[in-house]
Amino acid sequence: GAVVSQHPSWVICKSGTSVKIECRSLDFQATTMFWYRQFPKQSLMLMATSNEGSKATYEQGVEKDKFLINHASLTLSTLTVTSAHPEDSSFYICSARYSGRNNEQFFGPGTRLTVL
Amino acid sequence: GNSVTQMEGPVTLSEEAFLTINCTYTATGYPSLFWYVQYPGEGLQLLLKATKADDKGSNKGFEATYRKETTSFHLEKGSVQVSDSAVYFCVVSAGGTSYGKLTFGQGTILTVHP
Repeated sequence: GAVVSQHPSWVICKSGTSVKIECRSLDFQATTMFWYRQFPKQSLMLMATSNEGSKATYEQGVEKDKFLINHASLTLSTLTVTSAHPEDSSFYICSARYSGRNNEQFFGPGTRLTVL
Repeated sequence: GNSVTQMEGPVTLSEEAFLTINCTYTATGYPSLFWYVQYPGEGLQLLLKATKADDKGSNKGFEATYRKETTSFHLEKGSVQVSDSAVYFCVVSAGGTSYGKLTFGQGTILTVHP
């Protein structure tokens, strides 16, 4: 149990377009989900905390108008990269906090975004 | 804010060798400490955790002890296997108003050869 999926697993887009990434908790409900960014050979950087039914909380330095987060249900959060540029190319990972398992965070497999 | 410093990799070992990956942290309050593992092509998985000083987390032969006096949480395994090849992350979880926010170390790539 406690599986988190992400879709798509990889995406290539043209500069200037927008890309939506979905994060789903498949067998549990999550009031809180997190979005991370991972650069090659580097650590994960927390971008924002997504709370169901309310606005996301962004970390310092993360542009909220650039990275739109929506957490419309207890099993789905979406990250939309708007007007993507090559520097947005990265590996995006989400996690979902499961209250039934001591608030442990379960991670999705990640989405590789490449902006041409 | 919190920060985590991990031993730089990559680490290459032969099967059955002893493994240590050092990790030190800075944090306010009483953080929980974790080791996460990322196997090739898979998502991050919790390997072990410790929630208070002197706790020892263990799983799959891996161990780490929460040392508040040295602010360390070193990962050890007595005899590694090829299947342990992965990226290992030392992680600190914030408490208080930032409850649940994770701060990751830079990750250590481990490769185990037969």
